[in-house]
Amino acid sequence: DGGITQSPKYLFRKEGQNVTLSCEQNLNHDAMYWYRQDPGQGLRLIYYSQIVNDFQKGDIAEGYSVSREKKESFPLTVTSAQKNPTAFYLCASSGLASNEQYFGPGTRLTVT
Amino acid sequence: GQNIDQPTEMTATEGAIVQINCTYQTSGFNGLFWYQQHAGEAPTFLSYNVLDGLEEKGRFSSFLSRSKGYSYLLLKELQMKDSASYLCAVSNDYKLSFGAGTTVTVRA
Repeated sequence: DGGITQSPKYLFRKEGQNVTLSCEQNLNHDAMYWYRQDPGQGLRLIYYSQIVNDFQKGDIAEGYSVSREKKESFPLTVTSAQKNPTAFYLCASSGLASNEQYFGPGTRLTVT
Repeated sequence: GQNIDQPTEMTATEGAIVQINCTYQTSGFNGLFWYQQHAGEAPTFLSYNVLDGLEEKGRFSSFLSRSKGYSYLLLKELQMKDSASYLCAVSNDYKLSFGAGTTVTVRA
C-alpha cells in the first residue's frame, strides 16, 4: 500500500543526545515536510524539501537538521541545541501539482 | 506573517450540526484546507477550497470567502466518532500554515 511511514512511534532520549527520526514515503511525491505539534498549538513547520538534495528552513528550524539524499526519505535530526525537543513530530509529503499534504502517523519524542 | 484563528473548543450533541469558523491573514493564498485529527494520530484530509463558495462532501461542507479571509467547516448529523480536533490550514507557495485547531466534543 502507498503511504508515509514514520518510526518509531514513541522515542525516549536523554538530554544532550542527538536523535534522528525517520520518514519514508512510497507515493512518488516530490515534496516532503517536517512539522512539530505541541499541546494547544497548531502544526509548526520545521523544514521542507521540494526536490532531492535541496531543502529549506521552515518557521522553527533552529536545533534541527535534515537531509534529502533520496526522493523517498527525509530524516530529521533533533540536536542537543534544540531547547524544548519533547513534542509530537509529523512528516508529510505532497506532489508538486497538488497542495494537499499526506501525513505519516507521527513520532512522539520525549527527552528527559 | 501568517495569522490563522479558530476557536479552541466546541461541544455539540450527537445528531446536531456544528460550524467551525476560521479567519486568516496571510502573506499569500493558494487555497484553504481542513484536516481532522484524532488524539495522538496524524491529520487526515477533509476538504480543500480555492475558490469562493461552498464545497459539500457527505456530512461535511466547507465554505470560503477570500475577500473576507474567512472559512468555515460545517459538520452535520454529528456522530460520536466526530469528536476530534479540526485544523484549518492556508496554503501558500507549497507550504501550509496551520491554525491551533478546534477540539470538538460530541456528547450523547
